[in-house]
Formats: sequence, structure tokens, C-alpha cells
Amino acid sequence: QKEVEQNSGPLSVPEGAIASLNCTYSDRVSQSFFWYRQYSGKSPELIMSIYSNGDKEDGRFTAQLNKASQYVSLLIRDSQPSDSATYLCAVNIVDSGAGSYQLTFGKGTKLSVIP
Amino acid sequence: DGGITQSPKYLFRKEGQNVTLSCEQNLNHDAMYWYRQDPGQGLRLIYYSQIVNDFQKGDIAEGYSVSREKKESFPLTVTSAQKNPTAFYLCASRDGSGLEQYFGPGTRLTVT
Repeated sequence: QKEVEQNSGPLSVPEGAIASLNCTYSDRVSQSFFWYRQYSGKSPELIMSIYSNGDKEDGRFTAQLNKASQYVSLLIRDSQPSDSATYLCAVNIVDSGAGSYQLTFGKGTKLSVIP
Repeated sequence: DGGITQSPKYLFRKEGQNVTLSCEQNLNHDAMYWYRQDPGQGLRLIYYSQIVNDFQKGDIAEGYSVSREKKESFPLTVTSAQKNPTAFYLCASRDGSGLEQYFGPGTRLTVT
């Protein structure tokens, strides 16, 4: 059973601080990792993808991947009240037998940025 | 405007009725997916399709059916056999050469 674990939060940070969101996964052969942002009542929006160990930066967002530790994180620098949302971690494994690409999602971490 | 559309946004049905949720995309994506989300829960895969006229069951397919007669369309039918149909239903699509999935706006189904 593939599992993706996230701290449900809520994680509260003051405006301007760094928010750190963490995710662990159980399947060692997982290959691709994604972070989605979901505002209340809305659908998930893809904000970051990462495929190899190390850091990937995009604006105020940095994704970090450590496959040996089965750990992926998302850092949000200079957090803004508009970053307040639930952040979903998703992990992809290619099923070589079926040739499918499925995502397994964590339950999400709710982030609250306090003005 | 390219994107994924789902209709309607809100849907109300009586218990025992079948209901079909629409999902259309004009991104020319090959793969399409249906998920359901319950409060405080992650997304769970219902069905997916990688090409026209082919689809596979996901983790929670019981009580649901799909069709993929056109590349652009992947409707989901919630049947009366689905024990707890009230949920937020999300459709996603993926380009055949990529790994990222993109979501439509979702349909919130309430069955009473």
C-alpha cells in the first residue's frame, strides 16, 4: 500500500516568515513528486514538481527532495496571507506493468499566514 | 482559453438516483482521471483513462462507472450502488509526454 504522510496542521506562521511543509512517502521506487495548493472550496492547483534529489526553486517556493530518506518538503519564503491554503503532497509511481501514471496524495497541511 | 471544465459546480440528488458528472478538456491531453475528496481527506482515485475507449479502475471504483468515447470527454456516473456518494469530485488530465496532472474546478455532489 503506497502511503503519503503529511502533518495536518494547522501550521501558523507570521507574515514574512518562512513556512516549511513536510511530506514522507512509503514507496522507495517513487519517482516524481508534486506540491498542490488548494484554497478552501476550490480545486488543487499545481505549484511545484520535483524529480531528482536536491532543491528546486521557483519564485518564493523551494521544493526539497531526499529519496534516501523518502522525504519531500516545500518552503515558502516571505509568506503572505494569500498563501493561506491547504498544501497537498502527491507522489507518482510508474506502474511498469500497466504503463500507468498514478498519483497518491497526502491529506494535506493547512497553512495559515497571520498578518 | 485552454482548460478543464466540470459541470455543474453543485449537484443535488435524492438517494437511489444515478447521476452523471461532466468533464471536458481542450488541452489535447491523452490521460484523464477522476478523484473524490472528502472533508479532511486526501484525493482518492476512482477511475482513469490513458487513451480513448480504454479506462482502468482506481482505488475506489465500486459504485461508479465511466466512459471515454472522445479524447476531450470523460464523464463519471455515480450509481445508486455507491454507499456514500456525497463528496467533492475532481477531474484531472495529463499530457501523454508529461507527469503533471491538472485539475478542473470540481463538482460538489450532495445526495440526501
